[in-house]
Amino acid sequence: DVKVTQSSRYLVKRTGEKVFLECVQDMDHENMFWYRQDPGLGLRLIYFSYDVKMKEKGDIPEGYSVSREKKERFSLILESASTNQTSMYLCASSSPGQTGSGANVLTFGAGSRLTVL
Amino acid sequence: GQNIDQPTEMTATEGAIVQINCTYQTSGFNGLFWYQQHAGEAPTFLSYNVLDGLEEKGRFSSFLSRSKGYSYLLLKELQMKDSASYLCAEGNDYKLSFGASRGIKAAGNKLTFGGGTRVLVKP
Repeated sequence: DVKVTQSSRYLVKRTGEKVFLECVQDMDHENMFWYRQDPGLGLRLIYFSYDVKMKEKGDIPEGYSVSREKKERFSLILESASTNQTSMYLCASSSPGQTGSGANVLTFGAGSRLTVL
Repeated sequence: GQNIDQPTEMTATEGAIVQINCTYQTSGFNGLFWYQQHAGEAPTFLSYNVLDGLEEKGRFSSFLSRSKGYSYLLLKELQMKDSASYLCAEGNDYKLSFGASRGIKAAGNKLTFGGGTRVLVKP
């Protein structure tokens, strides 16, 4: 019954490395999101996408980029990893109109814990 | 910008009731969500309020007052398995405009989360 799958549960990378975090959903959702979660700061939105090949910056996009070539897949890219990007990364997807008012309910993946040394 | 406040931590006894408060300040409001997150796991959806009042789902209830920018999550008959973080999140309306020829696509909303409230249930 897996719905949002993140490819790596734990990663350890070195400063300056390029990092790819992959996310796949099997619910045919239009919307996909990348958040990072840090103690005391909660979940912060990095990027989101409302359609294939479409991306929008969230609240903290600096140092990140994304790719959405297919509807089911949304990738987060760290071009040059830095120690302050050590975090838990959560991918989520949703579809418009899941509630009566049109609001979206997010379904999250299990998360990818990235450590940058 | 958005500012969502909720307590950092709460402790309660098994069988008791706990109320987690959440305040928010923003424009473009489109609903207030509550998620539960057990340690090391993904957040899971609990409840959603867009109109004022109380929504009840078994042992969990959520309340919203839009005029006060205030919501709470009420957990009744606490069980040990309720020990988790509870995340308050505000839905912000988001629409994409493609110009006069294609109009506006209502794409839904994105969520802004509070820091979460860690609830510890003791025997």
